[in-house]
Amino acid sequence: SSELTQDPAVSVALGQTVRITCQGDSLRNYDASWYQQKPGQAPLLVIYGKNNRPSGIPDRFSGSSSGNTASLTITGAQAEDEADYYCHSRDSSGNHSFGGGTKLTVL
Amino acid sequence: QIQLQESGPGLVKPSETLSLTCTVSGGSINNYYWSWIRQPPGKGLEWIGYIYYSGSTNYNPSLKSRVTISVDTSKNQFSLKLSSVTAADTAIYYCARTLHPISSSWYYDFWGQGTLVTVSS
Repeated sequence: SSELTQDPAVSVALGQTVRITCQGDSLRNYDASWYQQKPGQAPLLVIYGKNNRPSGIPDRFSGSSSGNTASLTITGAQAEDEADYYCHSRDSSGNHSFGGGTKLTVL
Repeated sequence: QIQLQESGPGLVKPSETLSLTCTVSGGSINNYYWSWIRQPPGKGLEWIGYIYYSGSTNYNPSLKSRVTISVDTSKNQFSLKLSSVTAADTAIYYCARTLHPISSSWYYDFWGQGTLVTVSS
């Protein structure tokens, strides 16, 4: 299956903007989806498609993509955004994979 | 609101078969894809496979020889069987509804709460 690479950890000051990236060849042809996971909870979809937010997800979350890299941007990070974030995509063989996850710390 | 609930034994012996069921409520299992995803304690997410309501399946190549996913539309349930388990299969197992409105976009919009399965004698 395809490999998706994420930075293990990222930090951001409260109220500032942070970008979490995901790299992989499959992202040239397939959209990434992004999931937020807080301790002891199931993952929560925050971005899907080109840049779509499910109902209830704040508009400070946005997604973008260029070449083999997809990005999740949080504009004006809040304390409650501290969590693990995972990207996901499928590849041309029909296999699905997740990135290794990025632990976001809000300072 | 769609809800998913995993159920099954929390402890499985090495070499035996792990069996879990996901019950879907608040909506029909028909016309959707349904996935199993797992997460070893303290680690990342791993896709196991999915099934379409009609019964077609797709599995992670690394698990394909041991995995079977089935669906029972009359009960609004789908199930996972993983054979010949080892300690490496110890994980939280999640079921999730899977959407792909276009072929290039796939995502999981509703998840179960997850169930921890421990492989130990």
